[in-house]
Amino acid sequence: EVQLVESGGGLVQPGGSLRLSCAASGFTFSIYSMSWVRQAPGKGLEWVSYISSSSSAIYYADSVKGRFTISRDNAKNSLYLQMNSLRAEDTAVYYCARDNNWNYGDYWGQGTLVTVSS
Amino acid sequence: DIQMTQSPSSVSASVGDRVTITCRASQGISSWLAWYQQKPGKAPKLLIYAASSLQSGVPSRFSGSGSGTDFTLTISSLQPEDFATYYCQQANSFPHTFGQGTKVEIK
Repeated sequence: EVQLVESGGGLVQPGGSLRLSCAASGFTFSIYSMSWVRQAPGKGLEWVSYISSSSSAIYYADSVKGRFTISRDNAKNSLYLQMNSLRAEDTAVYYCARDNNWNYGDYWGQGTLVTVSS
Repeated sequence: DIQMTQSPSSVSASVGDRVTITCRASQGISSWLAWYQQKPGKAPKLLIYAASSLQSGVPSRFSGSGSGTDFTLTISSLQPEDFATYYCQQANSFPHTFGQGTKVEIK
């Protein structure tokens, strides 16, 4: 069974940092590209970042470029999102998703809440 | 960036109704479009990918059509478990933008 479990969310002050993790199981993690998607409270989905299976291709939304860094460790079946210089508008539930061959999220984690507030 | 615009923003319907949701891209995206269903407090669920391909395990009452800039998600006979918010997403180019969502509510 495919499982994605996010962790690392919490309350952080503006300007602070947080590292999210996504532990994958039930599939061969190293052959799939992965993405992070977020959802602010009561709002719609916002695509955040993408990383290819070998980490050779990485993309970010303009809203997080220069502040967030996506990475993965295929040996540990894990995906990460390092978030720096956090702002109030980064407050959201962050989901990791496995991308199918068409780059659509076919499996999603349950999400982890990040709250940026003083 | 490609902008995705869904209509309507919300729709009220009854069980058994046929429901159609539209998604328009700001530029051509061929068939690089997916539809997701999201229920409150839950992660999104992939319904349709490549504009018209049904994801494994998704009921056949869901169907997708379109190419280029105009796309449609149709629920042929609305069931109680279909009341949710639906999002389109393009994967033609990064950033992989989502539409703003369409909430399907009980009439």
